[in-house]
Amino acid sequence: DTGVSQNPRHKITKRGQNVTFRCDPISEHNRLYWYRQTLGQGPEFLTYFQNEAQLEKSRLLSDRFSAERPKGSFSTLEIQRTEQGDSAMYLCASSIFSGGSPGELFFGEGSRLTVL
Amino acid sequence: GESVGLHLPTLSVQEGDNSIINCAYSNSASDYFIWYKQESGKGPQFIIDIRSNMDKRQGQRVTVLLNKTVKHLSLQIAATQPGDSAVYFCAEIPKSFKTIFGAGTRLFVKA
Repeated sequence: DTGVSQNPRHKITKRGQNVTFRCDPISEHNRLYWYRQTLGQGPEFLTYFQNEAQLEKSRLLSDRFSAERPKGSFSTLEIQRTEQGDSAMYLCASSIFSGGSPGELFFGEGSRLTVL
Repeated sequence: GESVGLHLPTLSVQEGDNSIINCAYSNSASDYFIWYKQESGKGPQFIIDIRSNMDKRQGQRVTVLLNKTVKHLSLQIAATQPGDSAVYFCAEIPKSFKTIFGAGTRLFVKA
């Protein structure tokens, strides 16, 4: 399978713990996005990378959230000191950005976080 | 802030009928508008996009209409099938190339 891969698919943690999610994008894609989705809502933008550079981070994202894409390939999203409000599906997507067109996003199946 | 919204949260259609899903957007500076389909337990899947300088684009069984005067976007699905049952999101892409999603419409197809 050469699609976007995310793991773990499910994570249950206690409030105050740290969690990390990993995303492996489609190999030739230069852009990688993180979104958060709660039940009944559309995906909410968190941050995105072009190659290894983090180009934008949502103002809604607290400093407990950090994302990296160290070699321009896979990415990690870490949430420190989790809160119950962090419970959501965390979606990763990748795309090819060619400068003239944004390109469609290819999503993974998401990592569902439950904070108790 | 700017947002993309939807008129109806749910839509129920008979198999074989045509479906029309509507969306209102507020950011007139967006360059692209996209429709995504999300099935239960999966990530959103691209259906069709339209550039802001177009008013209509057709795909396989789907048509997207863009009315910039009233900031309205619609997705038409011809001969709706049970496999079309899903949540549909309209999304816009401003010049930052960051995709902004709306809240979604759930489509139910009755056999």
